[in-house]
Amino acid sequence: GAVVSQHPSWVICKSGTSVKIECRSLDFQATTMFWYRQFPKQSLMLMATSNEGSKATYEQGVEKDKFLINHASLTLSTLTVTSAHPEDSSFYICSARVSGGSSYEQYFGPGTRLTVT
Amino acid sequence: AQSVTQLGSHVSVSEGALVLLRCNYSSSVPPYLFWYVQYPNQGLQLLLKYTTGATLVKGINGFEAEFKKSETSFHLTKPSAHMSDAAEYFCAVKSGDSSASKIIFGSGTRLSIRP
Repeated sequence: GAVVSQHPSWVICKSGTSVKIECRSLDFQATTMFWYRQFPKQSLMLMATSNEGSKATYEQGVEKDKFLINHASLTLSTLTVTSAHPEDSSFYICSARVSGGSSYEQYFGPGTRLTVT
Repeated sequence: AQSVTQLGSHVSVSEGALVLLRCNYSSSVPPYLFWYVQYPNQGLQLLLKYTTGATLVKGINGFEAEFKKSETSFHLTKPSAHMSDAAEYFCAVKSGDSSASKIIFGSGTRLSIRP
């Protein structure tokens, strides 16, 4: 149980375009989902926390107008990278917390590799 | 705020040798601590976690970690390294309270296994 999927697993887009990444909890409901970014050979940096039905909370230094997060249902959160640039190329990983579960358990998706050309 | 520091960005051991990956934490409250493993181009897999209770935590793949409050450490060990253990390892800590909590990662340690 507690499986999180991401789609797509990899995507290449041109500079200036927008790309949407989906994160789904497959066998549980997730009130809270998290988006992390990982640059090559670096650690995961938390970008934002999203709660179903409300606005996301962004970490310091993350542009909320560039990284749009929507958490419209208990099983789906989306991250849209708007007007992407090569420096946005990264590995994006989402995670989800089980609704009503422990406050610390987060289940991670397999990640989405974004390359902006 | 809670944080973790991983000592050593790269550790190399021989197959069959002891694996020791170091992690120290900083927390004003009793910490919840985690170790995750990441294989190339893949997501994260939870190895083990410490919340409360027994300070020696056993995880998957033969790994274990010991919570030492006096040393603010949570080092990861495995008695005998296997080639398949080569990966990136992240120590992590829960930051924040209840519904506002999130997991914060250390900088990672790349483990290489020599034949």
